[in-house]
Amino acid sequence: KQEVTQIPAALSVPEGENLVLNCSFTDSAIYNLQWFRQDPGKGLTSLLLIQSSQREQTSGRLNASLDKSSGRSTLYIAASQPGDSATYLCAVGFTQAGTALIFGKGTTLSVSS
Amino acid sequence: DVKVTQSSRYLVKRTGEKVFLECVQDMDHENMFWYRQDPGLGLRLIYFSYDVKMKEKGDIPEGYSVSREKKERFSLILESASTNQTSMYLCASSFLSFNRGNNQPQHFGDGTRLSIL
Repeated sequence: KQEVTQIPAALSVPEGENLVLNCSFTDSAIYNLQWFRQDPGKGLTSLLLIQSSQREQTSGRLNASLDKSSGRSTLYIAASQPGDSATYLCAVGFTQAGTALIFGKGTTLSVSS
Repeated sequence: DVKVTQSSRYLVKRTGEKVFLECVQDMDHENMFWYRQDPGLGLRLIYFSYDVKMKEKGDIPEGYSVSREKKERFSLILESASTNQTSMYLCASSFLSFNRGNNQPQHFGDGTRLSIL
């Protein structure tokens, strides 16, 4: 069964640092991988989606990479800001219809000013 | 922008009650989903639907049912609420990837925090 792991579970950094969040999955037969942000008590906001045929996607200060063969994805956040403080979740899509995601438990990021 | 609206942010119900959670999306998405989120367990899929009147069980369907009478609306029903169903419930929607040629992201509502007393 597909398992998704995110390490570390929590991360604290000073403002301005570049940082990397990690996501690993056990079955490389995936169709896509999606990164989400969740603020406390709120729903999830989609940040980036990488198709299985892609290596990376970029949006502003965010860059997500995907290495299917090794079962890994990273989310790179450049020049972190206090407003980046949130929980970041990765989710693996393993059906072509896009109907099923397996989520990691998330990394809670705290950026101090 | 995609808008997924859940009818209540907070809800308190009693054990044994029948509880309805409503979700509406305005993007003509084929897929709709219900998840629950619990500390230490993460998000788990309860049910999803890829078309009107169609439903598929997720990982934890026991104690729940769903209804999709219209494309934009997906309801989660707790037939007889129990205390172990106290949780954060999240609704999501997406296009069916077969129709779009590429995988499509899921878009989430703000969640309903349900407490069963």
